[in-house]
Amino acid sequence: AQTVTQSQPEMSVQEAETVTLSCTYDTSESNYYLFWYKQPPSRQMILVIRQEAYKQQNATENRFSVNFQKAAKSFSLKISDSQLGDTAMYFCAFMKWVGTASKLTFGTGTRLQVTL
Amino acid sequence: DVKVTQSSRYLVKRTGEKVFLECVQDMDHENMFWYRQDPGLGLRLIYFSYDVKMKEKGDIPEGYSVSREKKERFSLILESASTNQTSMYLCASSLIPGYEQYFGPGTRLTVT
Repeated sequence: AQTVTQSQPEMSVQEAETVTLSCTYDTSESNYYLFWYKQPPSRQMILVIRQEAYKQQNATENRFSVNFQKAAKSFSLKISDSQLGDTAMYFCAFMKWVGTASKLTFGTGTRLQVTL
Repeated sequence: DVKVTQSSRYLVKRTGEKVFLECVQDMDHENMFWYRQDPGLGLRLIYFSYDVKMKEKGDIPEGYSVSREKKERFSLILESASTNQTSMYLCASSLIPGYEQYFGPGTRLTVT
């Protein structure tokens, strides 16, 4: 079974600074996807960034980027120029194929607080 | 924009009651999912469906069942609610496996 580990339950960063959230996973699959989702307080979960395992290039979305180390099974999220609106719960997720469908396994989350 | 809606934001039920949680998506997505979210445990998959009338057990299906009679609607059923089913329930949908799952706002269920 796949497991996803987020070892930082809570983190804090000052506005405009950079923060990195860690995620490791365990799998024997060779074809899979990795995601970071964000859940702001009392708001819906939304996708932050997505990475295909077969791509060596790290995904980037504006201020959000990942460091994907396939051999180490590591998938960290870097947030640059942190903003107050980045305050949220962040979940790392691993996706594998189940027949013609797909299944996500989530980590336990990291609560990020951005302060002034 | 994809919209996933859930029938209730907050729900309070008594032990032993049959509970229905409804989820509707408006983007013709094939895949739909039910998760429960608990502090310190993240999101755990209860059931998912990749086609109408097709369903698969997730990681924690015990005590739950699902129904998908129409493509846009996926219902989670608690046959006999118990206090350990008090949780936040999230519904999600996706068009293509491997791509983004779109989440609903969640239903916070309390079983007393």
